[in-house]
Amino acid sequence: GNSVTQMEGPVTLSEEAFLTINCTYTATGYPSLFWYVQYPGEGLQLLLKATKADDKGSNKGFEATYRKETTSFHLEKGSVQVSDSAVYFCALTDNYGQNFVFGPGTRLSVLP
Amino acid sequence: EAQVTQNPRYLITVTGKKLTVTCSQNMNHEYMSWYRQDPGLGLRQIYYSMNVEVTDKGDVPEGYKVSRKEKRNFPLILESPSPNQTSLYFCASSADRGGINEKLFFGSGTQLSVL
Repeated sequence: GNSVTQMEGPVTLSEEAFLTINCTYTATGYPSLFWYVQYPGEGLQLLLKATKADDKGSNKGFEATYRKETTSFHLEKGSVQVSDSAVYFCALTDNYGQNFVFGPGTRLSVLP
Repeated sequence: EAQVTQNPRYLITVTGKKLTVTCSQNMNHEYMSWYRQDPGLGLRQIYYSMNVEVTDKGDVPEGYKVSRKEKRNFPLILESPSPNQTSLYFCASSADRGGINEKLFFGSGTQLSVL
């Protein structure tokens, strides 16, 4: 079945550091890929998405590129802020009635 | 304001005492779903519903029931809760299921503790 693997956390960075959170997937067909973010005490919210190979999703300074050849969707940000501290989930759906599959989440802490 | 509303936010109960967690969305979404979040395991789907009166099992349905009598509501029922159902629960809804504009909207979560 479909699955998503994320790098182990927690990740601790200083403000203005570069962020990469790795995500790889296993899926049949052509899945859509997502990053969701969960701030403390809240539900998840969509950060960005990509629906086909080589698409780049971007939002709030975060970017991720859909790489079909490496089955990856790594999240990057050039300069993190304290307010980016949250748990980040990589997810996919295959658009054929299968449901969303989430990775385990990666906790990011950004120190001032 | 478009939102998914879950109640209660926190719930402590004892083994075997039936409970219901409510979920309501005001966006006229056809698709609704329940997840549980456990440390190290991420989100796992319990049940989902593609439309009124249409429900199906997710990855971890044992010990749970759902119903979808109206489009806006999708309650999660634990007939006989057990301690291994202690978890953080999220309800979510989506429009354009499987489509290019698909996006899940999440509620704020329900922290359940079963003693």
